[in-house]
Amino acid sequence: GAVVSQHPSRVICKSGTSVKIECRSLDFQATTMFWYRQFPKKSLMLMATSNEGSKATYEQGVEKDKFLINHASLTLSTLTVTSAHPEDSSFYICSASIAGDSAKNIQYFGAGTRLSVL
Amino acid sequence: DQQVKQNSPSLSVQEGRISILNCDYTNSMFDYFLWYKKYPAEGPTFLISISSIKDKNEDGRFTVFLNKSAKHLSLHIVPSQPGDSAVYFCAASKGYGQNFVFGPGTRLSVLP
Repeated sequence: GAVVSQHPSRVICKSGTSVKIECRSLDFQATTMFWYRQFPKKSLMLMATSNEGSKATYEQGVEKDKFLINHASLTLSTLTVTSAHPEDSSFYICSASIAGDSAKNIQYFGAGTRLSVL
Repeated sequence: DQQVKQNSPSLSVQEGRISILNCDYTNSMFDYFLWYKKYPAEGPTFLISISSIKDKNEDGRFTVFLNKSAKHLSLHIVPSQPGDSAVYFCAASKGYGQNFVFGPGTRLSVLP
Protein backbone atom coordinates (compact mmCIF):
# COMPACT_ATOMS: atom_id res chain seq x y z
CA GLY A 1 0.00 0.00 0.00
CA ALA A 2 0.82 3.73 0.10
CA VAL A 3 1.97 4.01 -3.51
CA VAL A 4 2.67 7.37 -5.06
CA SER A 5 2.91 7.64 -8.80
CA GLN A 6 4.75 10.52 -10.43
CA HIS A 7 4.59 11.27 -14.13
CA PRO A 8 6.49 11.84 -16.33
CA SER A 9 9.72 10.29 -15.11
CA ARG A 10 11.73 12.34 -17.54
CA VAL A 11 10.98 15.36 -19.67
CA ILE A 12 13.06 17.40 -22.05
CA CYS A 13 11.69 20.74 -23.16
CA LYS A 14 12.70 23.91 -24.89
CA SER A 15 13.40 27.07 -22.97
CA GLY A 16 10.27 29.17 -22.54
CA THR A 17 7.80 26.30 -22.51
CA SER A 18 5.82 25.11 -19.50
CA VAL A 19 6.00 21.62 -18.07
CA LYS A 20 3.43 19.90 -15.87
CA ILE A 21 4.37 17.11 -13.47
CA GLU A 22 1.67 14.97 -11.87
CA CYS A 23 1.76 13.28 -8.52
CA ARG A 24 -0.92 10.75 -7.63
CA SER A 25 -1.55 8.73 -4.52
CA LEU A 26 -2.84 5.46 -5.89
CA ASP A 27 -4.25 3.66 -2.89
CA PHE A 28 -4.76 6.28 -0.23
CA GLN A 29 -6.05 9.77 0.27
CA ALA A 30 -3.33 12.34 0.70
CA THR A 31 -4.42 15.43 2.53
CA THR A 32 -0.94 16.84 2.19
CA MET A 33 1.49 16.59 -0.69
CA PHE A 34 5.01 17.89 -0.85
CA TRP A 35 7.21 18.94 -3.74
CA TYR A 36 10.99 18.69 -3.53
CA ARG A 37 13.81 19.59 -5.82
CA GLN A 38 17.23 17.98 -5.84
CA PHE A 39 20.37 19.33 -7.42
CA PRO A 40 23.22 16.94 -8.20
CA LYS A 41 24.94 15.68 -5.05
CA LYS A 42 22.69 17.88 -2.91
CA SER A 43 19.88 17.21 -0.48
CA LEU A 44 16.25 17.06 -1.38
CA MET A 45 15.04 20.62 -0.84
CA LEU A 46 11.41 21.21 0.05
CA MET A 47 9.81 23.61 -2.41
CA ALA A 48 6.24 23.70 -1.21
CA THR A 49 3.57 21.95 0.79
CA SER A 50 0.09 21.64 -0.59
CA ASN A 51 -3.10 20.74 1.18
CA GLU A 52 -6.12 19.60 -0.79
CA GLY A 53 -8.38 22.45 -1.69
CA SER A 54 -6.16 25.25 -0.48
CA LYS A 55 -3.24 27.25 -1.76
CA ALA A 56 0.22 25.77 -1.51
CA THR A 57 2.68 27.02 1.07
CA TYR A 58 5.99 27.81 -0.57
CA GLU A 59 9.36 27.71 1.10
CA GLN A 60 11.45 30.83 1.21
CA GLY A 61 13.14 31.54 -2.08
CA VAL A 62 10.76 29.49 -4.21
CA GLU A 63 8.91 31.56 -6.79
CA LYS A 64 5.22 30.74 -6.56
CA ASP A 65 4.53 32.23 -9.99
CA LYS A 66 7.26 30.10 -11.48
CA PHE A 67 6.29 26.85 -9.83
CA LEU A 68 2.51 26.54 -9.87
CA ILE A 69 1.12 23.89 -7.58
CA ASN A 70 -2.42 22.62 -7.72
CA HIS A 71 -3.89 20.09 -5.30
CA ALA A 72 -7.40 19.75 -6.58
CA SER A 73 -8.22 16.38 -5.09
CA LEU A 74 -7.12 14.07 -2.31
CA THR A 75 -5.22 11.94 -4.80
CA LEU A 76 -3.68 14.40 -7.23
CA SER A 77 -1.26 17.28 -7.05
CA THR A 78 0.44 18.92 -10.00
CA LEU A 79 3.53 21.05 -10.31
CA THR A 80 3.79 23.28 -13.37
CA VAL A 81 7.14 24.82 -14.16
CA THR A 82 6.17 27.90 -16.16
CA SER A 83 8.40 29.41 -18.82
CA ALA A 84 11.13 26.94 -18.04
CA HIS A 85 14.75 27.95 -18.37
CA PRO A 86 17.94 25.86 -18.29
CA GLU A 87 18.50 26.73 -14.63
CA ASP A 88 15.22 24.98 -13.84
CA SER A 89 16.76 21.70 -14.99
CA SER A 90 16.69 19.50 -11.95
CA PHE A 91 15.21 16.44 -10.33
CA TYR A 92 11.73 17.07 -8.93
CA ILE A 93 10.10 14.64 -6.55
CA CYS A 94 6.75 14.62 -4.83
CA SER A 95 5.58 12.93 -1.69
CA ALA A 96 2.32 12.50 0.14
CA SER A 97 1.29 11.85 3.68
CA ILE A 98 -1.71 9.80 4.67
CA ALA A 99 -4.58 11.64 6.27
CA GLY A 100 -4.24 11.28 10.01
CA ASP A 101 -0.70 10.04 9.71
CA SER A 102 1.09 13.28 8.95
CA ALA A 103 2.00 13.71 12.60
CA LYS A 104 4.35 10.78 12.23
CA ASN A 105 6.09 12.66 9.43
CA ILE A 106 6.11 9.57 7.28
CA GLN A 107 5.86 10.54 3.66
CA TYR A 108 5.49 8.32 0.65
CA PHE A 109 7.51 9.38 -2.33
CA GLY A 110 7.05 9.24 -6.04
CA ALA A 111 9.96 8.11 -8.20
CA GLY A 112 10.75 11.65 -9.33
CA THR A 113 10.90 13.58 -12.58
CA ARG A 114 14.11 14.62 -14.24
CA LEU A 115 13.55 17.87 -16.09
CA SER A 116 16.02 19.00 -18.71
CA VAL A 117 15.46 22.41 -20.27
CA LEU A 118 17.36 23.06 -23.47
CA ASP B 1 24.03 26.21 5.18
CA GLN B 2 23.31 22.52 5.35
CA GLN B 3 21.41 21.72 8.53
CA VAL B 4 21.57 17.96 8.07
CA LYS B 5 24.85 16.46 6.99
CA GLN B 6 25.87 13.05 5.85
CA ASN B 7 29.57 13.40 5.40
CA SER B 8 30.17 10.04 3.77
CA PRO B 9 28.79 10.07 0.24
CA SER B 10 29.42 6.35 -0.07
CA LEU B 11 30.16 3.28 2.02
CA SER B 12 31.07 -0.29 1.09
CA VAL B 13 30.53 -3.18 3.47
CA GLN B 14 30.94 -6.93 3.17
CA GLU B 15 27.79 -9.01 3.35
CA GLY B 16 27.08 -10.17 6.87
CA ARG B 17 29.02 -7.35 8.49
CA ILE B 18 27.63 -4.26 10.15
CA SER B 19 26.87 -1.11 8.16
CA ILE B 20 26.99 2.16 10.06
CA LEU B 21 25.63 5.26 8.38
CA ASN B 22 26.16 8.57 10.11
CA CYS B 23 24.21 11.80 10.17
CA ASP B 24 24.95 15.10 11.90
CA TYR B 25 22.66 18.06 12.35
CA THR B 26 23.23 21.62 13.38
CA ASN B 27 19.81 22.83 14.49
CA SER B 28 19.18 22.03 18.14
CA MET B 29 15.45 22.51 17.54
CA PHE B 30 15.31 19.25 15.59
CA ASP B 31 13.76 16.59 17.73
CA TYR B 32 12.42 13.99 15.35
CA PHE B 33 14.52 12.06 12.88
CA LEU B 34 13.88 9.58 10.12
CA TRP B 35 15.88 7.43 7.79
CA TYR B 36 14.75 6.81 4.24
CA LYS B 37 16.13 4.31 1.78
CA LYS B 38 16.16 4.86 -1.96
CA TYR B 39 16.72 2.39 -4.76
CA PRO B 40 17.54 3.62 -8.28
CA ALA B 41 14.50 4.81 -10.25
CA GLU B 42 12.32 4.64 -7.16
CA GLY B 43 11.27 7.21 -4.59
CA PRO B 44 12.65 7.13 -1.05
CA THR B 45 10.86 4.76 1.30
CA PHE B 46 10.57 5.19 5.03
CA LEU B 47 12.84 2.94 7.05
CA ILE B 48 12.92 3.91 10.71
CA SER B 49 12.42 6.94 12.93
CA ILE B 50 13.43 8.17 16.36
CA SER B 51 12.26 11.02 18.54
CA SER B 52 14.48 12.98 20.85
CA ILE B 53 13.01 11.38 23.95
CA LYS B 54 14.79 8.19 22.99
CA ASP B 55 18.39 7.39 22.26
CA LYS B 56 17.77 4.15 20.44
CA ASN B 57 15.11 2.61 18.27
CA GLU B 58 15.32 -0.86 16.83
CA ASP B 59 13.39 -2.56 14.06
CA GLY B 60 14.69 -5.93 13.00
CA ARG B 61 18.14 -5.54 11.46
CA PHE B 62 17.93 -1.76 11.65
CA THR B 63 18.81 0.29 14.72
CA VAL B 64 18.99 4.04 14.93
CA PHE B 65 21.00 5.69 17.69
CA LEU B 66 20.61 9.32 18.68
CA ASN B 67 23.18 11.36 20.58
CA LYS B 68 21.48 14.68 21.26
CA SER B 69 24.45 16.32 22.91
CA ALA B 70 26.61 15.59 19.89
CA LYS B 71 23.75 16.29 17.45
CA HIS B 72 24.53 13.01 15.83
CA LEU B 73 22.56 9.99 14.80
CA SER B 74 23.54 6.77 13.17
CA LEU B 75 21.83 3.91 11.45
CA HIS B 76 23.18 0.43 12.07
CA ILE B 77 22.31 -2.44 9.76
CA VAL B 78 23.32 -5.85 10.97
CA PRO B 79 23.82 -8.19 9.32
CA SER B 80 24.13 -6.30 6.04
CA GLN B 81 22.64 -7.93 2.97
CA PRO B 82 23.19 -7.19 -0.73
CA GLY B 83 19.57 -6.02 -0.95
CA ASP B 84 20.44 -3.24 1.46
CA SER B 85 22.52 -1.59 -1.25
CA ALA B 86 20.80 1.76 -1.77
CA VAL B 87 21.08 5.44 -0.95
CA TYR B 88 20.16 6.24 2.64
CA PHE B 89 18.83 9.67 3.56
CA CYS B 90 18.71 11.07 7.04
CA ALA B 91 15.94 13.62 7.70
CA ALA B 92 15.17 15.84 10.67
CA SER B 93 12.21 17.90 11.76
CA LYS B 94 11.28 20.19 14.62
CA GLY B 95 8.55 17.93 15.82
CA TYR B 96 5.68 15.77 14.81
CA GLY B 97 3.82 17.08 11.84
CA GLN B 98 6.55 19.51 10.89
CA ASN B 99 8.31 19.54 7.55
CA PHE B 100 11.67 17.89 7.62
CA VAL B 101 15.08 18.61 6.18
CA PHE B 102 16.98 15.93 4.30
CA GLY B 103 20.65 15.15 4.30
CA PRO B 104 22.39 14.59 0.95
CA GLY B 105 22.41 10.82 1.32
CA THR B 106 24.98 8.05 1.63
CA ARG B 107 25.24 5.34 -0.98
CA LEU B 108 25.67 1.96 0.68
CA SER B 109 27.07 -0.95 -1.30
CA VAL B 110 26.92 -4.35 0.36
CA LEU B 111 29.33 -6.68 -1.36
CA PRO B 112 28.53 -10.39 -1.58
